[in-house]
Amino acid sequence: ETVMTQSPAILSVSPGERATLSCRASQSVSNNLAWYQQRPGQAPRLLIYGASTRATGIPARFSGSGSGTEFTLTISSLQSEDFAVYYCQQYSNWPPITFGGGTKVEIK
Amino acid sequence: QLQLQESGPGLVKPSETLSLTCSVSGASIKSTSYSWGWVRQPPGKGLEWIGSMHYSGSPYYNPSFRSRVNMSIDTSKNQFSLTLTSVTAADTAVYYCARRGSPVVAFFWIDPWGPGTLVTVSS
Repeated sequence: ETVMTQSPAILSVSPGERATLSCRASQSVSNNLAWYQQRPGQAPRLLIYGASTRATGIPARFSGSGSGTEFTLTISSLQSEDFAVYYCQQYSNWPPITFGGGTKVEIK
Repeated sequence: QLQLQESGPGLVKPSETLSLTCSVSGASIKSTSYSWGWVRQPPGKGLEWIGSMHYSGSPYYNPSFRSRVNMSIDTSKNQFSLTLTSVTAADTAVYYCARRGSPVVAFFWIDPWGPGTLVTVSS
């Protein structure tokens, strides 16, 4: 099973600032990585697939990068609606599909 | 627009069977190459993939659940279902139904998701 590790667990950021979230895979997943946003009380929402392709309707302030075992999600200028939990997910070595433990982006 | 909606009991007794159904609207389960499945999230914790299946193929299950889980698809009702046997308190979670986001089997991001349903295992 491919273990996904996200860091930090909690990221405190001021509105308008840049947020950088990390995701590490225990073995190479190539670029088979997705990112999701989950707001309180809601289902996860797909942000990024293929490590760097934004899903339909996702604002350009969200960007993904990386390949192999190291990945980054960057939010260029945090808006109020961006304060949420973010999960990475690999789909290279499955089953099982595996998720990271999440990074909570909170208001500083 | 494709929409998914989970339904089923919100309370299940320990050792009994959890059964959930996902109703699909806006698309036919059998008209595409997509697969359909389930993800769960214990309260305050992260996401765990349970399994998925295509209407014409065999299911893929997370090995963590393999001995307890079964999925099925009812194309006549445009629904798919999950059963999880011998539940314990550790199975208390929000259960999401979802679709694989790509028709290509190798590309397994998840989109869209249903709103989720909380299932509590308690006597």
